[in-house]
Amino acid sequence: DVKVTQSSRYLVKRTGEKVFLECVQDMDHENMFWYRQDPGLGLRLIYFSYDVKMKEKGDIPEGYSVSREKKERFSLILESASTNQTSMYLCASSLAGGATNEKLFFGSGTQLSVL
Amino acid sequence: GENVEQHPSTLSVQEGDSAVIKCTYSDSASNYFPWYKQELGKRPQLIIDIRSNVGEKKDQRIAVTLNKTAKHFSLHITETQPEDSAVYFCAASITNSGYALNFGKGTSLLVTP
Repeated sequence: DVKVTQSSRYLVKRTGEKVFLECVQDMDHENMFWYRQDPGLGLRLIYFSYDVKMKEKGDIPEGYSVSREKKERFSLILESASTNQTSMYLCASSLAGGATNEKLFFGSGTQLSVL
Repeated sequence: GENVEQHPSTLSVQEGDSAVIKCTYSDSASNYFPWYKQELGKRPQLIIDIRSNVGEKKDQRIAVTLNKTAKHFSLHITETQPEDSAVYFCAASITNSGYALNFGKGTSLLVTP
């Protein structure tokens, strides 16, 4: 079974702090994604990556950056956390594109509170 | 990019009734339409998907229909049970395009005994 692990379930940070959210998958998936989930707004894509060292902006990249130095790890970085970044952050992975490979496997999420 | 609209945002049905959730998409090139279910406090999980070369797909009590002309697709749950209570997300994408899935805003389904 695919395992997508997010390093923290709950995180509390202060405004202006640099925050790192880590995600690791163990199934050699090429694609990795970061979404944020807010009530009434659904799942919004922040960034995604189709390969090591590659990244693509999603719908709401402002205030975030990402790093993918190794295939299994995809990090989300909040350069200077702000209160409007308080949210549930979900990491996901999938195999490379193809007719049968779009299924996303999600991590259990990190609930980030910025005070 | 692709814009996916999902309705209703909340849905309450009695156990045994059917539930229908509808989504529309904007990009006529989209060809992959999955549905994810997220139970309270858990991660979203894929429950069914459909591709544009198929009009309907069934898996036990759930089915998905696709109308490419109208650019809408729907999730149908029959004989609902309390364990069907969850948030359901529809999504759309173009396979092998380099674009990620775009999700609707979700439907919170409550099945009351």
